[in-house]
Amino acid sequence: AQTVTQSQPEMSVQEAETVTLSCTYDTSESDYYLFWYKQPPSRQMILVIRQEAYKQQNATENRFSVNFQKAAKSFSLKISDSQLGDAAMYFCAYKEAKGGSEKLVFGKGTKLTVNP
Amino acid sequence: DAGVIQSPRHEVTEMGQEVTLRCKPISGHDYLFWYRQTMMRGLELLIYFNNNVPIDDSGMPEDRFSAKMPNASFSTLKIQPSEPRDSAVYFCASSFLDEQFFGPGTRLTVL
Repeated sequence: AQTVTQSQPEMSVQEAETVTLSCTYDTSESDYYLFWYKQPPSRQMILVIRQEAYKQQNATENRFSVNFQKAAKSFSLKISDSQLGDAAMYFCAYKEAKGGSEKLVFGKGTKLTVNP
Repeated sequence: DAGVIQSPRHEVTEMGQEVTLRCKPISGHDYLFWYRQTMMRGLELLIYFNNNVPIDDSGMPEDRFSAKMPNASFSTLKIQPSEPRDSAVYFCASSFLDEQFFGPGTRLTVL
């Protein structure tokens, strides 16, 4: 079964600085999707960024970017110019590619604190 | 679009009572998911539907839990009888083209 591991239960960053959240996963599949979700105190799960495994180019969404290392099964999230509103739990998630299960497998999450 | 709608947002009940959680997915989405979030177990999938048909219910903890999707715009998750260990946040999500959009969740407390 696929597993997702987030080894950092908590991280902190100074406002305007850059922080990287780590995620590793285990799968025998060659095609799949990876996601980062943000869960602020309101508990709403918000999709931050997605990556298709067949794409070599790392995904970017404004201040959020990923470092996808397929061979190492690593999928880290970089937040640049951190803002107070970035404070939240961040979850890494895995999903099989089309034709497989639609199930999202989540990591345990990393709690990010942004210090003013 | 209003996004995924869940009701109620909070539910407090006593052990042994029946609890029904409701979800309205985003219009046009063909998949619907029910997740449970606890501190101990994190986010776990309970069941998901495709075009109103249950596809994978392997995450449903036991027979006390049941889920239905009578039409494309409505789903329920029922717990009968409820137990204190069912206390959690229950999320509904819907998807189209591989991206899941979550509702605000229902915080269930079973006393």
